[in-house]
Amino acid sequence: DVKVTQSSRYLVKRTGEKVFLECVQDMDHENMFWYRQDPGLGLRLIYFSYDVKMKEKGDIPEGYSVSREKKERFSLILESASTNQTSMYLCASTLTLGVNEQFFGPGTRLTVL
Amino acid sequence: KQEVTQIPAALSVPEGENLVLNCSFTDSAIYNLQWFRQDPGKGLTSLLLIQSSQREQTSGRLNASLDKSSGRSTLYIAASQPGDSATYLCAVYNYGQNFVFGPGTRLSVLP
Repeated sequence: DVKVTQSSRYLVKRTGEKVFLECVQDMDHENMFWYRQDPGLGLRLIYFSYDVKMKEKGDIPEGYSVSREKKERFSLILESASTNQTSMYLCASTLTLGVNEQFFGPGTRLTVL
Repeated sequence: KQEVTQIPAALSVPEGENLVLNCSFTDSAIYNLQWFRQDPGKGLTSLLLIQSSQREQTSGRLNASLDKSSGRSTLYIAASQPGDSATYLCAVYNYGQNFVFGPGTRLSVLP
């Protein structure tokens, strides 16, 4: 079974802090994604990566950056956390776009005070 | 730009009933459509993936159909159980637009 893990289930940070969310997948998937999920707004794509060191902006990249130094690991970075970044963050991966299933991690509930 | 809608937004049924959840999309040039289940506060669990060339997929009590030309998919759940209570989301993939998710249908199955 594909496994996607996220570094934290719950995280509480203060405004202005730098925040790292890490995602690891164990099935050698090429593509990895970061989404945020908010009530009434659904899932929105922040960034995705189709290969090591490659990244593409999604719909809402402002205030975020990403890093993919190894194939299995995709990190989301909040450079200076703000209260409007309080959300559920979901990581996902898939082998081949348009062909294979997308698998999700358990999510990180981030609260920024 | 692709838009995905799901009707109804919420559904409450007694245990044992068969039910249908709907997913509609505006751009029919999809590569595939995936149905997910999400429990409160958790990640998404993949249920079924339908490729654009397929008409339906089945897994246990779940059956998903796809009518690409009309921009619709349905998820049929047979003999519903309280454990089926969750939010069900559909997502479509268009080349160049990435995955687009519907808002979900919140299902409650009453014992």
